[in-house]
Amino acid sequence: AQSVTQLDSHVSVSEGTPVLLRCNYSSSYSPSLFWYVQHPNKGLQLLLKYTSAATLVKGINGFEAEFKKSETSFHLTKPSAHMSDAAEYFCVVSGRNDYKLSFGAGTTVTVRA
Amino acid sequence: SAVISQKPSRDICQRGTSLTIQCQVDSQVTMMFWYRQQPGQSLTLIATANQGSEATYESGFVIDKFPISRPNLTFSTLTVSNMSPEDSSIYLCSAGGMNTEAFFGQGTRLTVV
Repeated sequence: AQSVTQLDSHVSVSEGTPVLLRCNYSSSYSPSLFWYVQHPNKGLQLLLKYTSAATLVKGINGFEAEFKKSETSFHLTKPSAHMSDAAEYFCVVSGRNDYKLSFGAGTTVTVRA
Repeated sequence: SAVISQKPSRDICQRGTSLTIQCQVDSQVTMMFWYRQQPGQSLTLIATANQGSEATYESGFVIDKFPISRPNLTFSTLTVSNMSPEDSSIYLCSAGGMNTEAFFGQGTRLTVV
């Protein structure tokens, strides 16, 4: 079985400063990993995905994540936070032979002006 | 990409009643799923909606409480039966996955009073 652990339940940053959201995964095989964002009262939006290609994955809105197998990590970063980045972020892993997704507990990002 | 329409978007229901949520995808998809997001929580998979056969339920979810239909490759319904206040959640429909992006509906916000 696969699972993800998001190490921070809440991250607060100042506008214009870097954002780091940490995610560790557990899987007995090479996983597919995703980051999704959920803005208040909105649906889930895919930020980026890793599917065994390049280990550094670039996503939308300036986000990127690096897959590190040795550390079983898939941390999400953004060089400069914007007010519109305030949202809930989910690290997600998918099964090997099925389409089921396992979600992390989520990280709430707040951005201070 | 796929666009998923869910309805209703929200509802307030009396305890003991049932609500059926509809999920329509704008293209044929192999896999459809139903998730629950309880207040302030992450997403939990309820079941996989299988076209032409009974849904596959995750541990803790049963067909009598959450009957699911999947009559074709673009449509599914989830019924929340004999509702109690503990069923107050956001219910989300999803399609796709397996190393590709999973698309989500906007969700149905259910309040049981």
